[in-house]
Amino acid sequence: DTEVTQTPKHLVMGMTNKKSLKCEQHMGHRAMYWYKQKAKKPPELMFVYSYEKLSINESVPSRFSPECPNSSLLNLHLHALQPEDSALYLCASSPAWLPNEKLFFGSGTQLSVL
Amino acid sequence: GQQLNQSPQSMFIQEGEDVSMNCTSSSIFNTWLWYKQDPGEGPVLLIALYKAGELTSNGRLTAQFGITRKDSFLNISASIPSDVGIYFCAGLNTDKLIFGTGTRLQVFP
Repeated sequence: DTEVTQTPKHLVMGMTNKKSLKCEQHMGHRAMYWYKQKAKKPPELMFVYSYEKLSINESVPSRFSPECPNSSLLNLHLHALQPEDSALYLCASSPAWLPNEKLFFGSGTQLSVL
Repeated sequence: GQQLNQSPQSMFIQEGEDVSMNCTSSSIFNTWLWYKQDPGEGPVLLIALYKAGELTSNGRLTAQFGITRKDSFLNISASIPSDVGIYFCAGLNTDKLIFGTGTRLQVFP
């Protein structure tokens, strides 16, 4: 099973809403990632969790709040987003963060902020 | 952030043709990965390369890890309509995966 599952597939939210994106993997991977991807651009790294601890925060605004409840789950809590935050949010996992080998991506959540 | 340069930016080819694309960087990478992404979906890993000079195949796809460790190449033989999508190279350094700018492939029957 090389699957990373993301929910929801699509999300529309207002600028005052609070919502959460969820990601799950059962490959026993110990590193999980959040990426943001705008249309026609490559994915950009937001956060890295290694062994359930936040290892990298790429200067992401505090309106994005990641959480790793256990080694299989990764959440991204959203609050007071801006329209420019509309994008495809991708979760990924890998066997380990260091040394890094290869990342497996989920299908993403297409987020629209109105 | 840092990006890798992919070329060509887009390709329009006829079904059955072979395709070549490449990825270059000013930095050395220890691992090169090639992904394919369909619209509205996440990138799917095609090939992973771990050693300079390594040549690896996955069906009709063949990728090479450049000897200088600053580039990588992907070839697709006998293209078919389902090869349509965006192909991203990605370089792994010690702690981050850096994506290329992408090559958009269109295949016409």
